[in-house]
Amino acid sequence: QSALTQPASVSGSPGQSITISCTGTSSDVGGYNYVSWYQQHPGKAPKLMIYEVSNRPSGVSNRFSGSKSGNTASLTISGLQAEDEADYYCSSYTSSSTLAYVFGTGTKVTVL
Amino acid sequence: QVQLVQSGAEVKKPGASVKVSCKASGYTFTSYGISWVRQAPGQGLEWMGWISAYNGNTNYAQKLQGRVTMTTDTSTSTAYMELRSLRSDDTAVYYCARAGHHYFDYWGQGTLVTVSS
Repeated sequence: QSALTQPASVSGSPGQSITISCTGTSSDVGGYNYVSWYQQHPGKAPKLMIYEVSNRPSGVSNRFSGSKSGNTASLTISGLQAEDEADYYCSSYTSSSTLAYVFGTGTKVTVL
Repeated sequence: QVQLVQSGAEVKKPGASVKVSCKASGYTFTSYGISWVRQAPGQGLEWMGWISAYNGNTNYAQKLQGRVTMTTDTSTSTAYMELRSLRSDDTAVYYCARAGHHYFDYWGQGTLVTVSS
């Protein structure tokens, strides 16, 4: 079971929108609506931003949104702010026999 | 408020074992599972396994089978992760996370485990 594929880096100016992709297979992203997204600032624990493809936990800004098409999930950050600069990881439930959950490779978001 | 507080950093020699604790508060411990996730220096997140705090059922990543054991103590709302036969590539920050329905909604602060001779 390989990690889900994310771009290594994405950047944008304050106020812009950016989208991070997360590509898997029909055994994980494409097969289940169990994709979640996590934000991680340096030296900190990950924070849940999106669960079940497009749901936001209480307290997470509505500037964060999620979607899925086929084997690719996406996280969009609109109205980019300096505080959004962080690493972002997707995760999916998987029917693999070797593990139950797989994470993405991670994307560094830079606010220019 | 939900909190997961983990034990402190550890330094171990190759071949040794380490046991990390994760004390939960702010919710009914037995209503959720606990997953363990690790992150090697400068690397991404790796799911290690899950334990039900309700009945102790476990599900481990195959690559760690035979070396990892996850347990809970419901009397103290604490989860434990023991990793044996440590190797240098086990050096990582180990996180516990409350397991919602196929997502991880609250995380501990992380425990750095360094394996070095």
